[in-house]
Amino acid sequence: QKEVEQNSGPLSVPEGAIASLNCTYSDRGSQSFFWYRQYSGKSPELIMSIYSNGDKEDGRFTAQLNKASQYVSLLIRDSQPSDSATYLCAVDPNTGNQFYFGTGTSLTVIP
Amino acid sequence: DAGVTQSPTHLIKTRGQQVTLRCSPKSGHDTVSWYQQALGQGPQFIFQYYEEEERQRGNFPDRFSGHQFPNYSSELNVNALLLGDSALYLCASSLEVQVSNYGYTFGSGTRLTVV
Repeated sequence: QKEVEQNSGPLSVPEGAIASLNCTYSDRGSQSFFWYRQYSGKSPELIMSIYSNGDKEDGRFTAQLNKASQYVSLLIRDSQPSDSATYLCAVDPNTGNQFYFGTGTSLTVIP
Repeated sequence: DAGVTQSPTHLIKTRGQQVTLRCSPKSGHDTVSWYQQALGQGPQFIFQYYEEEERQRGNFPDRFSGHQFPNYSSELNVNALLLGDSALYLCASSLEVQVSNYGYTFGSGTRLTVV
């Protein structure tokens, strides 16, 4: 059973702060990792992907991967109220077929 | 550039009935995957279609079946509906050779309610 674990939250941060979202996975052979954002009642939209250990930055978003610890995280700098959503961590066990999703972390950015 | 389109957006069915959900992938994509997302949960993989064949299947009973057409569009069929089948059904498309690098693009989903 390949598992992806996320803290369901809710996580609340003030506007302008850094939000830190964490995810752990069980399949050590996993190679590709994705963060999706899902607004209430909407479908998931891809924010970032990461494959190599270390940090990957895209605008206000930074994904961090540590394969040895089987840990992936997402940092959101200068958080905005529009960032309020559920963030899903997805893991591809190197098949390109079945992605495994966590249950998501609910983030609220307080103005 | 059209994204992933799904129909219908909402559906109410009675237990025991059958339902068909439809999906057109994003232009240029050749692979369609279906996911079920129950309230408060992450998406769960149902199956994936590529070259009109079911390539991989998740832990779902045979009541769930699908099809992919030559134009890459896809259908999800669910027979003998149960109350527990109530969920958001998501279609996700990708280009087969790029999915591990670029992930999926999701449609807006079909909200199925079984009463």
